[in-house]
Amino acid sequence: GAGVSQSPRYKVAKRGQDVALRCDPISGHVSLFWYQQALGQGPEFLTYFQNEAQLDKSGLPSDRFFAERPEGSVSTLKIQRTQQEDSAVYLCASSLLGRSGGKYFGPGTRLTVL
Amino acid sequence: AQKITQTQPGMFVQEKEAVTLDCTYDTSDQSYGLFWYKQPSSGEMIFLIYQGSYDEQNATEGRYSLNFQKARKSANLVISASQLGDSAMYFCAMREGKTSYDKVIFGPGTSLSVIP
Repeated sequence: GAGVSQSPRYKVAKRGQDVALRCDPISGHVSLFWYQQALGQGPEFLTYFQNEAQLDKSGLPSDRFFAERPEGSVSTLKIQRTQQEDSAVYLCASSLLGRSGGKYFGPGTRLTVL
Repeated sequence: AQKITQTQPGMFVQEKEAVTLDCTYDTSDQSYGLFWYKQPSSGEMIFLIYQGSYDEQNATEGRYSLNFQKARKSANLVISASQLGDSAMYFCAMREGKTSYDKVIFGPGTSLSVIP
């Protein structure tokens, strides 16, 4: 399909392991967002890319979280030394540039840290 | 402080009836945007409707309409003629005027169940 895809859909990690979550946005979408959604809560903003530039990383909870989008398309969210509190669904969204309305979200990656 | 409040954790509605999901927000900006998203059990967030703070008319998209009351800072979602497929979590979200992109804050959500 032509939507936003994320992989893996599910990830189980042992505490202390590093993980990498991938997002493939809709082709041509300039804007890319990462959100973290804890169980039973609304998504919380993590970071924003405009093409390859990371313009806002104010929502990243610690320096263990790192995101990149080197060629302005695929993005990777990396979490180092995972902790149990990192367990959540990580949502990626993309959109055309501007504030015209809603984004297109991917299905999310459910991360469980044991 | 909570910027988006959704006071109804769970709602039930009979199929084919209308339902209103409440949302109140808090901002000191004059320019802002309000969104509603639907999240089915599959997990994907689906954009439903958008209202800009300067829009004079309430937004409508098919069976969805946004009852925007600026003075009360409320942006309730009205779903007309509910369908079984409307059963999902619904999130109200706000973009404040400071950013040039849709950096939105989401509310805690309301779970809607449509009863046959």
